[in-house]
Amino acid sequence: DTGVSQNPRHKITKRGQNVTFRCDPISEHNRLYWYRQTLGQGPEFLTYFQNEAQLEKSRLLSDRFSAERPKGSFSTLEIQRTEQGDSAMYLCASSLGQGSEQFFGPGTRLTVL
Amino acid sequence: GESVGLHLPTLSVQEGDNSIINCAYSNSASDYFIWYKQESGKGPQFIIDIRSNMDKRQGQRVTVLLNKTVKHLSLQIAATQPGDSAVYFCAENKNYGGATNKLIFGTGTLLAVQP
Repeated sequence: DTGVSQNPRHKITKRGQNVTFRCDPISEHNRLYWYRQTLGQGPEFLTYFQNEAQLEKSRLLSDRFSAERPKGSFSTLEIQRTEQGDSAMYLCASSLGQGSEQFFGPGTRLTVL
Repeated sequence: GESVGLHLPTLSVQEGDNSIINCAYSNSASDYFIWYKQESGKGPQFIIDIRSNMDKRQGQRVTVLLNKTVKHLSLQIAATQPGDSAVYFCAENKNYGGATNKLIFGTGTLLAVQP
């Protein structure tokens, strides 16, 4: 257990539904990252926050995806109008600052039927 | 790089042997490299890192070697144990020293330790 928690651990939804995932980072970490991982592949960067500011977004993050970190602590990732191609493991990581180790949570596995 | 889909490169070793997992990275400007271990159903777990001003770094039972000339990274695990069985990923950090620490992960290698 790295100290980063994610909820839910598993989510099954029907195509077209909206889903929201939550990440609670290690408490003193000011940086929070979202990655997506499909079967057999390494995690792919989606977006990252420093405190409450979203500083970078990948081109993988279509306009159906939105992430927030309103108080600089926990973060949510919402996917609207889910598609089957959204099925993946969504990983959250946090770090203490620039150049420091990223600690990953256990992930939320999304299955879109 | 090319996707390997579901067919991860696999390294099969006997318990007690040494393991060497290799990785080629893509960006000569990357200056920070990390090895992660990922067990089934879990998030990646940090093993060891190395910065570009070094070519070797040792941890407990693990050693990372960096060859910047050929953009190659390797992870050596001494006296491999069944608990080492997992998928191993190398990751490179672009723009270290800048505003972001996003990690770029390579294709994983499945390490299977035979008892």
